[in-house]
Amino acid sequence: SQELEQSPQSLIVQEGKNLTINCTSSKTLYGLYWYKQKYGEGLIFLMMLQKGGEEKSHEKITAKLDEKKQQSSLHITASQPSHAGIYLCGADMGYGGATNKLIFGTGTLLAVQP
Amino acid sequence: DTGVSQNPRHKITKRGQNVTFRCDPISEHNRLYWYRQTLGQGPEFLTYFQNEAQLEKSRLLSDRFSAERPKGSFSTLEIQRTEQGDSAMYLCASSLVLGSGGTYEQYFGPGTRLTVT
Repeated sequence: SQELEQSPQSLIVQEGKNLTINCTSSKTLYGLYWYKQKYGEGLIFLMMLQKGGEEKSHEKITAKLDEKKQQSSLHITASQPSHAGIYLCGADMGYGGATNKLIFGTGTLLAVQP
Repeated sequence: DTGVSQNPRHKITKRGQNVTFRCDPISEHNRLYWYRQTLGQGPEFLTYFQNEAQLEKSRLLSDRFSAERPKGSFSTLEIQRTEQGDSAMYLCASSLVLGSGGTYEQYFGPGTRLTVT
C-alpha cells in the first residue's frame, strides 16, 4: 500500500553486520507491527509498537516508533543467516480510532551472506 | 501447537470451481481476520469477525467471496466460480481484543496458497 512505505526494498548484508529497515506513513498510526515472512509461508509476529517514542527489543532485533507515530525503524544487530527473509511492517491507520485492520508495506527482502 | 492453523496449505483448482478454506484461530481469541497476499506485495485486508459477527468487509471481497465464523471459533472462506485473478496466498490472523479501542497483537497462520488454472 502506498499509505505505508518501506525502505529499502531489498538488502544484502554480510553476516555480522548491522542493518536498519524503515517504515514511513503520512498519517498518525494507532499501532505499528513488524512481521517476518519466509517465502511462501505465513507471517511471524515480531513486535507491536503503540506509543510515540516506544522502543522494543527481541533478541538482536530492536524496533522504534518515532514521537509523531509516523515512522518506525527495525534494527538488527550482528546479523545472522537466520535473519534472512522478508520483513513487513503493518499499521493500524485508525481513521477515527484503532480498527485493528492492518495495512501493510510491500516488504523488505533481507539476504545475509555467510 | 497453539498457533493459528489453516487448511489446506495448498489448493490447485480449475477456473470456475468453488473452493473453501478453513482457519482455526488461537484458542479464546475473539477476533479473526482474513487477508490476501499476492506475489511481491504485503497482505491486504479482506474481512474480520468479532466472535461470530462479521463486522467489516473490504471492497476487495466481491460477491463471489463469503466468510463465516458460525460458532465464534473456526472460520471458513469460500470462493465461488474462481478466476485466475483469485490466485494468491490467503492468510488468517487472530487476536484477543479486550474492550473497544486500543491495538492488539495479531498472529498469523501459515496461509493457504491458491492456484487457479
